[in-house]
Amino acid sequence: KAGVTQTPRYLIKTRGQQVTLSCSPISGHRSVSWYQQTPGQGLQFLFEYFSETQRNKGNFPGRFSGRQFSNSRSEMNVSTLELGDSALYLCASSFSGTNYGYTFGSGTRLTVV
Amino acid sequence: AQTVTQSQPEMSVQEAETVTLSCTYDTSESDYYLFWYKQPPSRQMILVIRQEAYKQQNATENRFSVNFQKAAKSFSLKISDSQLGDAAMYFCAYRREGGSQGNLIFGKGTKLSVKP
Repeated sequence: KAGVTQTPRYLIKTRGQQVTLSCSPISGHRSVSWYQQTPGQGLQFLFEYFSETQRNKGNFPGRFSGRQFSNSRSEMNVSTLELGDSALYLCASSFSGTNYGYTFGSGTRLTVV
Repeated sequence: AQTVTQSQPEMSVQEAETVTLSCTYDTSESDYYLFWYKQPPSRQMILVIRQEAYKQQNATENRFSVNFQKAAKSFSLKISDSQLGDAAMYFCAYRREGGSQGNLIFGKGTKLSVKP
C-alpha cells in the first residue's frame, strides 16, 4: 500500500510570506502528526490530528497551524515566515495514534530566504 | 518533562561487525513505549524496533536488538552483522502511554557510518 506522501518535497519562500504543506497518510490511518527537524533543535513535535480534531500540540507559536480533512489528509500552515522556520517538516501517520509506531513521510524541505 | 539523550553524536563500524548505539531517557511514567528510528539520506524516518516498557523481554528484529534496562532508563540498540545500508542517522524516541498523547520525543540522533 502507498506510504505517507508529503508535498511539495522542496520549497523556497521569502520572509513574511506564508506557506502550506500537505500530508496524505496511509489509507486507513486516522492520526497525523507533524514534526519540525532542524540541525540545532533536532526533531520537535508540532501537533497531532485525529479524526479532524487537534488533540495534541507542541510548543510552537501561533503562526504554526494545521488542520485535517475528512479523508484524513492534513495540511500545516506557517504564516509570516521567519528565517528560523527553515527546516525539514515531517509528517507521520498511524492507525489511531497508538504505540505501534508511526509511518513517516519523506518530508518537505522549507527554506526561508 | 520527558527527555531522551543520545550521548554519541557519531559512531563508526566495520562492515559485518557489531555496533551498539546508546540511549537514555528520563520519565516519571511507568508505562511508555520506546522506539529506534533510522533516517537515511532519503530523509524518511523508518521504524527499526519498538519496546513496550511493561515487557521485560528485549525486542528483536532480525539483526537489530535492544537492551532495555527500565530501572536504569536505558535503551540501547545493537546492530549485528552491519551492512553498508545501515549507514544513517539513528534516533531514539519515547512516547508515553495513552492514545491522546500522540507525540514522540526524540533524542538528537547518532550518525552511524559503515566502513567496507
